[in-house]
Amino acid sequence: NAGVTQTPKFQVLKTGQSMTLQCAQDMNHNSMYWYRQDPGMGLRLIYYSASEGTTDKGEVPNGYNVSRLNKREFSLRLESAAPSQTSVYFCASIFRDSSYNEQFFGPGTRLTVL
Amino acid sequence: SQKIEQNSEALNIQEGKTATLTCNYTNYSPAYLQWYRQDPGRGPVFLLLIRENEKEKRKERLKVTFDTTLKQSLFHITASQPADSATYLCAPSSGGSYIPTFGRGTSLIVHP
Repeated sequence: NAGVTQTPKFQVLKTGQSMTLQCAQDMNHNSMYWYRQDPGMGLRLIYYSASEGTTDKGEVPNGYNVSRLNKREFSLRLESAAPSQTSVYFCASIFRDSSYNEQFFGPGTRLTVL
Repeated sequence: SQKIEQNSEALNIQEGKTATLTCNYTNYSPAYLQWYRQDPGRGPVFLLLIRENEKEKRKERLKVTFDTTLKQSLFHITASQPADSATYLCAPSSGGSYIPTFGRGTSLIVHP
């Protein structure tokens, strides 16, 4: 099992450009999440998908959109990138109702917006 | 609003000693609390979960306590090793949402 995979690993954008961050998991998890992590701010939830076909806003959703393409894949789109979106983005998944409800995280995407 | 506090200053200790990290929360009644480890350049990795009706949970050299009266969890690493150096995140969660809220993390540095 590859676990949670994210692409790309690094990306540099100019202000106003758009891009989609891809996330996939092969653990048959039902819930998936997108976080951003900034120095001194910790992990902040952008969007999540409790199950296939549903998405909900998290703490910091402005400037982002998501798509739960199927049970495996959950993508995050920046329509018009801004320097404030420079961050490290983590995708995570969870099998709800497991004993520990632990989140499995991907390796992250390091995004710089110039 | 919900608030989670972890020591922002790095904890420096000598190899072999016990490291104790603190997580305090306010305006919150979590059903359980998780601890994660994060190494530089990597995503967090789950370590332990403790539920509101549990006082203590152990796993190898790790021990977590949960005091719902004090609204605090303590995370202990006994016989610490340089390989334990990392940032440790606490993440309380209400039962039904499956959405943990992460603290900012405390950096642990274990010196040989």
